[in-house]
Amino acid sequence: DTAVSQTPKYLVTQMGNDKSIKCEQNLGHDTMYWYKQDSKKFLKIMFSYNNKELIINETVPNRFSPKSPDKAHLNLHINSLELGDSAVYFCASSRLADEQFFGPGTRLTVL
Amino acid sequence: RKEVEQDPGPFNVPEGATVAFNCTYSNSASQSFFWYRQDCRKEPKLLMSVYSSGNEDGRFTAQLNRASQYISLLIRDSKLSDSATYLCVVDSGYALNFGKGTSLLVT
Repeated sequence: DTAVSQTPKYLVTQMGNDKSIKCEQNLGHDTMYWYKQDSKKFLKIMFSYNNKELIINETVPNRFSPKSPDKAHLNLHINSLELGDSAVYFCASSRLADEQFFGPGTRLTVL
Repeated sequence: RKEVEQDPGPFNVPEGATVAFNCTYSNSASQSFFWYRQDCRKEPKLLMSVYSSGNEDGRFTAQLNRASQYISLLIRDSKLSDSATYLCVVDSGYALNFGKGTSLLVT
C-alpha cells in the first residue's frame, strides 16, 4: 500500500563509486521529483519530471542523472560520488503544482 | 533574498501552550502555500494547505497575508506529539520551495 517507495533506505559507499537510487509511486501522479536534504536540514529540489519529461533541473552537478522509464518511476544515478554528496535524498510525486507526497528517503553516506 | 524564510527556532514550549510560526516568501506571483511537518529522520508530510481567507484544522490555524508575503501557523493546546519541524512551502509555478523549517519541542 506504500504510496511512494524508495530503495535502498540506506546507502554507504566509497568516494568515486557510482550508485543508483530507485523511486516508484502508485498514486497515478504525473509529476515526480528528487530532493536533497543536507546536514543542515535544508530541503532543496534537484529534478522534476512531468509525464517522463524533465521540467526542472536545478544547479546540480552533471554527475547526477535522473531517469524516468515511465510515469510511475524516477530513478537517480550518481557517478563518481564525493563526500559532499552525503545527504538524505527524497523522492516525491504529485499532480502538477499540487500537494507532494514524499518517499521515506535514502540516507547516503560517502566515505 | 531566499525564496522562503523561516525562523529556525527551536521553540521549546510546555504542553498546552499556544505557539505561532511565521514565514515570508519572495515570489509575489506564488499561488499555492502549504505547511508541511517533518519528524526526525522521516519524510515531510502535508500538515495543511493555506488559503487566502485563512483556514483552521482542529488545533491548527493557518493565515496568509499576500500584501506582506507572509504566512503563519498557529498551534493551540500543544501536545507532546506536535514536536517536529514545520516547513513553510510556497509554489514557484513549477515547483515547491521549502523553507528550512522551524523546530518545535513540546515538553
